[in-house]
Amino acid sequence: EVQLVQSGAEVKKPGESLKISCKGSGYSFTSYWIGWVRQMPGKGLEWMGIIYPGDSDTRYSPSFQGQVTISADKSISTAYLQWSSLKASDTAMYYCVRREAGDYFDYWGQGTLVTVSS
Amino acid sequence: SYVLTQPPSVSVAPGQTARITCGGNNIGSKSVHWYQQKPGQAPVLVVYDDSDRPSGIPERFSGSNSGNTATLTISRVEAGDEADYYCQVWDSSSDLWVFGGGTKLTVL
Repeated sequence: EVQLVQSGAEVKKPGESLKISCKGSGYSFTSYWIGWVRQMPGKGLEWMGIIYPGDSDTRYSPSFQGQVTISADKSISTAYLQWSSLKASDTAMYYCVRREAGDYFDYWGQGTLVTVSS
Repeated sequence: SYVLTQPPSVSVAPGQTARITCGGNNIGSKSVHWYQQKPGQAPVLVVYDDSDRPSGIPERFSGSNSGNTATLTISRVEAGDEADYYCQVWDSSSDLWVFGGGTKLTVL
């Protein structure tokens, strides 16, 4: 069974750093792109970026380029999303997603809620 | 960048047919995918490649795509279909994935 299991909820202060994770199982982790999707409170879905764990090829949405870093450790089948300096506006639910051979997302993680507040 | 436009809300009575549209410039030339998100849950893929259904998705869910509009059709709507629905495409010209703004389906 394919599963994407994300790390737990985080509460951080502005300016702090953070790295959240997404562990894939039940499939060949290095053969599928893993993406990240943001959902701010009461708002829609926003695609942030995507990585191919096989060779770490990474693409970013222009809206998120330079604001976050996406990485992956294929030895432990885990993808990451990290911030070096959080802002209150980073408060959101973050989902990791698996990109199917086409260009859609067939599996979603359960989401990681990030709250940034002083 | 490529923009997808959805109506904010659609309402339908139980047993009727709901149609949720997704507008985009020449969207008919792209593959459109649809996700259902119920409150407090992660989105779920309900239609991919314009009109295909993943396993486990009822036949009541169908899709079409032509010209500047893609449509998700839900037949014989049930109370359990009440959710937010998002369309999504991959824009090959920019190599970016794009979501529509989402449509809240209300079952009256």
